[in-house]
Amino acid sequence: DTGVSQNPRHKITKRGQNVTFRCDPISEHNRLYWYRQTLGQGPEFLTYFQNEAQLEKSRLLSDRFSAERPKGSFSTLEIQRTEQGDSAMYLCASTLAGRINYGYTFGSGTRLTVV
Amino acid sequence: GDSVTQMEGPVTLSEEAFLTINCTYTATGYPSLFWYVQYPGEGLQLLLKATKADDKGSNKGFEATYRKETTSFHLEKGSVQVSDSAVYFCALSAKANNDMRFGAGTRLTVKP
Repeated sequence: DTGVSQNPRHKITKRGQNVTFRCDPISEHNRLYWYRQTLGQGPEFLTYFQNEAQLEKSRLLSDRFSAERPKGSFSTLEIQRTEQGDSAMYLCASTLAGRINYGYTFGSGTRLTVV
Repeated sequence: GDSVTQMEGPVTLSEEAFLTINCTYTATGYPSLFWYVQYPGEGLQLLLKATKADDKGSNKGFEATYRKETTSFHLEKGSVQVSDSAVYFCALSAKANNDMRFGAGTRLTVKP
């Protein structure tokens, strides 16, 4: 297993366009998290899945954001009608539900720039 | 709610200097505590962790001790190297939460 994989690594888009990011977690991990990180800040929680079920969404996740994990494996995060304030690094992490207190494994992130 | 406060940076040190990055937490239960490191353009890597009071996490010469009485988890290293230059994040994970909470990060630069 090569760890958590995120694609693309970088995305530049025009304001108003839709973008979609993909995360492939470690195969045996049933929990998958999305975080957003802006410059000079720590990661902020957006949402998480246990298997295919989305169990919690942060208030940061406006209705322009949607996430899916259709078969409990990879996940996608879509941002509709992007705004300049959406520019950030989007991080995906995975873990096992019974081992949350042992830490998450993060991907390398997708850096979004909205121009 | 549960949160982490860590020392503001940036921190600039000469090679072989002693490093301390302070981290304190607020939590209603007994969280697990973590230090993550982020190199430029990359995601976060778990550096070390401690899951209960008085535990010491250690890795690559870095150490941190879970101090319940002072609600702290300070990161230390006896002799830093240029390759340690990165951003360090303190984090906690509590049973009451379903997500990990991070501090704002401390940027460390080590000069030769």
